[in-house]
Amino acid sequence: GAVVSQHPSRVICKSGTSVKIECRSLDFQATTMFWYRQFPKQSLMLMATSNEGSKATYEQGVEKDKFLINHASLTLSTLTVTSAHPEDSSFYICSASHGMEQYFGPGTRLTVT
Amino acid sequence: AQKVTQAQTEISVVEKEDVTLDCVYETRDTTYYLFWYKQPPSGELVFLIRRNSFDEQNEISGRYSWNFQKSTSSFNFTITASQVVDSAVYFCALSDPLGTYKYIFGTGTRLKVLA
Repeated sequence: GAVVSQHPSRVICKSGTSVKIECRSLDFQATTMFWYRQFPKQSLMLMATSNEGSKATYEQGVEKDKFLINHASLTLSTLTVTSAHPEDSSFYICSASHGMEQYFGPGTRLTVT
Repeated sequence: AQKVTQAQTEISVVEKEDVTLDCVYETRDTTYYLFWYKQPPSGELVFLIRRNSFDEQNEISGRYSWNFQKSTSSFNFTITASQVVDSAVYFCALSDPLGTYKYIFGTGTRLKVLA
């Protein structure tokens, strides 16, 4: 149990376009989901916390207008990178809370050309 | 403020050697969780262990063992008789289960096990 999926697993987009990443909890309902970013050879940095039906809470330094988060249901949260640029290329990982733990998705590798 | 420090950036060992990965944490909370995750080249985080702040018993799971010492705020991870498949980045993390549920990750230790 407690499986989290992400789609797509890998995406390449052109500079200036937007890309949407989906995070789904497959076998449980998650009132809270988290989005992390990981640059090569670095740690996971929390970008935002999203609660179902309310606005996401962004960490300091994360542009909320650039990284749009929607948590419309208890099993789905989406991260949209708007007007992506090469510096947004990174590994994006979501997690969903279940009880007192987080369960992590497999990650999405975004490359902006 | 919460913080997790993994001072070892990269460790290389020869297969069958034992290796210990260090983790030191800082928190003002009395109730907290500590975790270890493995991240192989595929990128997916693999859960290894969760320890709550009230349980200081050491744990052994196969070749893996963990030493939790509140007195030194450390939660070290030892791999016995390392294997090439153990090569990965290992992250220690701290969470606040009664509050924000946020996970604070250390910077990770890259382990290379050489055949």
